[in-house]
Amino acid sequence: NAGVTQTPKFQVLKTGQSMTLQCAQDMNHEYMSWYRQDPGMGLRLIHYSVGAGITDQGEVPNGYNVSRSTTEDFPLRLLSAAPSQTSVYFCASSWDRVNSPLHFGNGTRLTVT
Amino acid sequence: DQQVKQNSPSLSVQEGRISILNCDYTNSMFDYFLWYKKYPAEGPTFLISISSIKDKNEDGRFTVFLNKSAKHLSLHIVPSQPGDSAVYFCAASSGGSNYKLTFGKGTLLTVNP
Repeated sequence: NAGVTQTPKFQVLKTGQSMTLQCAQDMNHEYMSWYRQDPGMGLRLIHYSVGAGITDQGEVPNGYNVSRSTTEDFPLRLLSAAPSQTSVYFCASSWDRVNSPLHFGNGTRLTVT
Repeated sequence: DQQVKQNSPSLSVQEGRISILNCDYTNSMFDYFLWYKKYPAEGPTFLISISSIKDKNEDGRFTVFLNKSAKHLSLHIVPSQPGDSAVYFCAASSGGSNYKLTFGKGTLLTVNP
């Protein structure tokens, strides 16, 4: 049982490049979320999904796209990377809306130069 | 405006003593509170939670106290162990949306042998 798997672990992009951060969970969780962690800022919610085909914006959605075509996968797309998107990105999932806490992956460290 | 505040960036305690980590919140709609622990290069791991209908929840060495009138919660670790050294994040949610968390900036706990 792998839990929440994020790939890649590290990535360096040039300004303007695009890429997709992958997130997969094998726990059949309906709810999935993307957070970013910046120094001194804690974790902030980017986008979330309450099930396949349903996504919504969080606190800091600008510059990111998401889709949820399957229960297992929730990729995060950077359309045109900017230095302000340098951060550590965490994907998380939970099986219940109310009673279960989020389970986090180990993160992707992204640097945009 | 920060809705969840952890005003102590760091805390150092001796092994065997009590660790008390504090968290304040401003949003009165928050009704579910969680503590996560994070080691370097790993994702946050759920530690303990409390609903707003309770004022205390215990799990082994960990106890969370909630003071709704003061909008304050605290995490007590007794006795503290060197393996508890990590960053601790306080998080909150409202309306039963546990996949949409608002995090504090975290407190680095160091437990000295």
